[in-house]
Amino acid sequence: NAGVTQTPKFQVLKTGQSMTLQCAQDMNHNSMYWYRQDPGMGLRLIYYSASEGTTDKGEVPNGYNVSRLNKREFSLRLESAAPSQTSVYFCASSEIRGQGMPHTEAFFGQGTRLTVV
Amino acid sequence: AQSVSQHNHHVILSEAASLELGCNYSYGGTVNLFWYVQYPGQHLQLLLKYFSGDPLVKGIKGFEAEFIKSKFSFNLRKPSVQWSDTAEYFCAVGDSSYKLIFGSGTRLLVRP
Repeated sequence: NAGVTQTPKFQVLKTGQSMTLQCAQDMNHNSMYWYRQDPGMGLRLIYYSASEGTTDKGEVPNGYNVSRLNKREFSLRLESAAPSQTSVYFCASSEIRGQGMPHTEAFFGQGTRLTVV
Repeated sequence: AQSVSQHNHHVILSEAASLELGCNYSYGGTVNLFWYVQYPGQHLQLLLKYFSGDPLVKGIKGFEAEFIKSKFSFNLRKPSVQWSDTAEYFCAVGDSSYKLIFGSGTRLLVRP
C-alpha cells in the first residue's frame, strides 16, 4: 500500500524555469493538499482540493498553480521559479467526515526538496 | 482565517523530564485537532487526533493531548521523554472549510 507518492524527490531549477510536482494517492481520499515547509515557519498551505473538480487557494498561493487531474492525482506547477520558492514541498490527502465537517487525519508523501538557483 | 500558534519554538529537555507543548487555534466552530511529529529527514506522522468526545486523547509512543474548548487549546504532553523523541512537533487544525492549517512547529531536543 503506497499511500501518498510524490515525484520527484529532489530537483534543482534555474530562476525562470518551470516544473510540475506530481502527487498521487491510493487511499480513495476526496481531499488533497500541497504544503511548503520552511525552517521556522512550519507547513504553509499552498493550495488544496476538497474534492475532485475543485481547487482553492491556501495561505501562500502566489507563484503556483494546481490541477486536480482526477481523484487520485493533484499536481503543483511552478510557472517561473524564483529563489523564494526554494523549499520542501509536501503533498497530503485526507477524507471529509461529512458535508461541512472537518476532515480526518492527513497522510503525507515523502516530500520534494526543491532548490531554485 | 484560521490560525494556529505554537508558543515554544525550541525545547531542550533531559531524558525522563516531562514535556508539555502548547498549541492554540483561532477558529471557534467545529474543528478537528491533530499533533504530528517529523523525525529528521522524514515526512510527517500522526501522533494523535481529536474529533469529539473525551477531551483527553492518547496517542502513540506515550503522548497525550488535552482539548480545552474554552481556551482554544490543544496541548501535547508526555510524562517522561526519551532521546528518541527528538524531533519537530506540529499542531494542526481542520475546520469546516476543509483546510488543514499547521502551526510553525516546535523543535524538541532530548539530551541523553
